[in-house]
Amino acid sequence: SYVLTQPPSVSVAPGKTASVTCVGDNIGSKSVYWYQQRPGQAPLLVIYYDSDRPSGIPERFSGSNSGNTATLTISRVEAGDEADYYCQVWDSRLDVAYVFGTGTKVTVL
Amino acid sequence: QVQLQESGPGLVKPSETLSLFCAVSDGSIRSYYWNWIRQPPGGGLEWIGNVFYSGSTSYNPSLKSRVTISLDTSKNQVSLQLTSVTAADTAVYFCASQEGVSYYFDNWGQGTLVTVSS
Repeated sequence: SYVLTQPPSVSVAPGKTASVTCVGDNIGSKSVYWYQQRPGQAPLLVIYYDSDRPSGIPERFSGSNSGNTATLTISRVEAGDEADYYCQVWDSRLDVAYVFGTGTKVTVL
Repeated sequence: QVQLQESGPGLVKPSETLSLFCAVSDGSIRSYYWNWIRQPPGGGLEWIGNVFYSGSTSYNPSLKSRVTISLDTSKNQVSLQLTSVTAADTAVYFCASQEGVSYYFDNWGQGTLVTVSS
């Protein structure tokens, strides 16, 4: 089965930049989506098609994808960015068409 | 913007069937794929399956033998049935919409916790 591996946790000071990686076999050939999940809430789409932002998502959120690694970057981190972040891909050739990453807890120091 | 609201029993006994509903408002049920996704306590997200308004379905192979997802267009409602549940099925269950030409989940319900216990 296809596995997307994320670091369990990332810590960042306010105003700095946080990078969350998502590692998968040749993930650069797929489109990657990123979700933010605050405690007790449903996930919220923050990046689609590797680097596009839905309406209402701050420009501080950006994404990239190449080779075996996709990256979510949060610039000028704010306290409100503290949340779990999940990557996700779709591929009809996979046994499970929709696969989520293992998730990363971003802590704002 | 599509609004989603899950409902159903919060407690199900082992070996019984879990049944949940997702009410869809402020959007056309015919325009989207309707997905169920679950998250065990303290765990990650797992896609369960989806249904399109045509009635076509797609399921996670690990759950396929126990899952049925269906659509009631007259009630603007999506349903999930999971049979022969065990404690491993304890999770928050989310319904989520997916535009027909996309492969991501753009709107989510708040989720409902289902505990499997006797």
